[in-house]
Amino acid sequence: NAGVTQTPKFQVLKTGQSMTLQCAQDMNHEYMSWYRQDPGMGLRLIHYSVGAGITDQGEVPNGYNVSRSTTEDFPLRLLSAAPSQTSVYFCASSYSSGHEDTQYFGPGTRLTVL
Amino acid sequence: GNSVTQMEGPVTLSEEAFLTINCTYTATGYPSLFWYVQYPGEGLQLLLKATKADDKGSNKGFEATYRKETTSFHLEKGSVQVSDSAVYFCALSDRASGGSYIPTFGRGTSLIVHP
Repeated sequence: NAGVTQTPKFQVLKTGQSMTLQCAQDMNHEYMSWYRQDPGMGLRLIHYSVGAGITDQGEVPNGYNVSRSTTEDFPLRLLSAAPSQTSVYFCASSYSSGHEDTQYFGPGTRLTVL
Repeated sequence: GNSVTQMEGPVTLSEEAFLTINCTYTATGYPSLFWYVQYPGEGLQLLLKATKADDKGSNKGFEATYRKETTSFHLEKGSVQVSDSAVYFCALSDRASGGSYIPTFGRGTSLIVHP
């Protein structure tokens, strides 16, 4: 199993550009989520999904869209990039959204917005 | 709402020293508790977990005990190695308003171990 994969690993955008961060998992996990990691802020939840066709907002959803058309994929779209979105983005998945479920993280995408 | 508070780092130790990283939590229900570790340039990975009060999670020489009375889940290791240098995240999983269990992470504690 490849686990959770993310592409690209690095990306530089100009203010106002749009892009999609890709996330895929091959573990047949129901639950998937996106976090951003900023210095001193820890991990903040952007959006999550408890199954195909179901998504919900996390703590910091503004400026980001998600969709979940398949179990495997959970792309994160930046609609109009802003310098405040410079961050490291992590995708995670778990078997379900249950009490004991372990989160499996991808390697991250480092995004810089100029 | 739910929250996790960790001691601020960095924690700097010499090899073979004793490690404690404090973690306390606030939750509305009965959460599961986790420690994740992040090595440089990588994503987080599970280190250990405990799902009910008085449970002890352990892995790779690290231990943490779920203390409901003090709402704590402190991470300990008796003798750290240089290879333990990483960022450690305490987390809880509690039921959100929609019925799913959504993880909440602390801000992370950086550990630096010198030879």
